[in-house]
Amino acid sequence: KNEVEQSPQNLTAQEGEFITINCSYSVGISALHWLQQHPGGGIVSLFMLSSGKKKHGRLIATINIQEKHSSLHITASHPRDSAVYICAVRSGLIQGAQKLVFGQGTRLTINP
Amino acid sequence: DGGITQSPKYLFRKEGQNVTLSCEQNLNHDAMYWYRQDPGQGLRLIYYSQIVNDFQKGDIAEGYSVSREKKESFPLTVTSAQKNPTAFYLCASSMIGRDRNTEAFFGQGTRLTVV
Repeated sequence: KNEVEQSPQNLTAQEGEFITINCSYSVGISALHWLQQHPGGGIVSLFMLSSGKKKHGRLIATINIQEKHSSLHITASHPRDSAVYICAVRSGLIQGAQKLVFGQGTRLTINP
Repeated sequence: DGGITQSPKYLFRKEGQNVTLSCEQNLNHDAMYWYRQDPGQGLRLIYYSQIVNDFQKGDIAEGYSVSREKKESFPLTVTSAQKNPTAFYLCASSMIGRDRNTEAFFGQGTRLTVV
């Protein structure tokens, strides 16, 4: 079993729908990242959070440390939101550097 | 603008040849990382470095080598010993030290195809 599990693996929705992507992890963490990977491959960091909730535009990320679970929500989804969304947890420091463990990603497709 | 630059974006090599992927950052980050991404799998750590002239193996270092001669640069060499080198390679960087809540920044990736 992977240390970080995302669901669903694939998600197709219509423009305007409310989207939820889930991430569950089994290790102790100091922070959790939500990342976005576009078809070209480059990765952009959307959020880094260690508790509660963060909001940026139409994106909302929440985390429940006790339940070891995080969700990424997209309101009023748009075709340009189509991408792979990746959850990554920081499970400790490797001699000061970050040790990130990644989920396998959720492929989101928003149809017009 | 600060960021991480990986080059080239696409790379084709013949089987048995070594190939070096470039990663440069101008963020003044101490730590740099190389990850490999395969279809349907999460990114896996190949090597990381937190200071010049020092680097450590990650989870899948076999068949790879790195160097860190400058703070800004962390090239990855995929050697002929790597049994399955075709993959997408991502470089990342971050600060280290007392401020532990720092984000990691990622490059645009290099897609390596070995034929």
